[in-house]
Amino acid sequence: DTGVSQNPRHKITKRGQNVTFRCDPISEHNRLYWYRQTLGQGPEFLTYFQNEAQLEKSRLLSDRFSAERPKGSFSTLEIQRTEQGDSAMYLCASSPGRGEPNSPLHFGNGTRLTVT
Amino acid sequence: AQKVTQAQTEISVVEKEDVTLDCVYETRDTTYYLFWYKQPPSGELVFLIRRNSFDEQNEISGRYSWNFQKSTSSFNFTITASQVVDSAVYFCALSSYTGANSKLTFGKGITLSVRP
Repeated sequence: DTGVSQNPRHKITKRGQNVTFRCDPISEHNRLYWYRQTLGQGPEFLTYFQNEAQLEKSRLLSDRFSAERPKGSFSTLEIQRTEQGDSAMYLCASSPGRGEPNSPLHFGNGTRLTVT
Repeated sequence: AQKVTQAQTEISVVEKEDVTLDCVYETRDTTYYLFWYKQPPSGELVFLIRRNSFDEQNEISGRYSWNFQKSTSSFNFTITASQVVDSAVYFCALSSYTGANSKLTFGKGITLSVRP
């Protein structure tokens, strides 16, 4: 169990640029989640994959956001035409998806995005 | 809609003191799960405990204990004999008992500082 890995750890970009983050879940986990956390707040759900299928998207996920998990392994989250309000910590989590329900999520260290 | 309220924002204690973190939740679901997560300065959310709504038995695990009261929609978490390493942000979270999706609704978190 090598844990959930996210890259990069930090990203600074100018407003209007596109950015892409990567998440590598724990290898045997088939569920993958993206959350966003702003300063002083708890994480907010963005989207969820079961294998390669994106099963749920939050209303927080505007059209400028897109997430993929092409082979049911790693996932990418892309933000197009970034805005200053996109500055946040983007957290990825995974869970087994089999066996007991509502199994705890395993989180990565996150990618901190700063839009200038 | 689900909601988690953590009314305390910051708590400061001296090492070896006991500390209780409060959590109140709202949900229309009849079955659900409650969680506590810890977020140290490194940023990674660490799972601590989970409790389902149909089992109100309170438990102790090492220095951690929790008090789940369905009648008051509260899920309080206690650390006994606190240590400096317990300093972190603590989040209470709620998920529906869907058996498939572990999507969590988080509170805003409580910053715990344990002084030597």
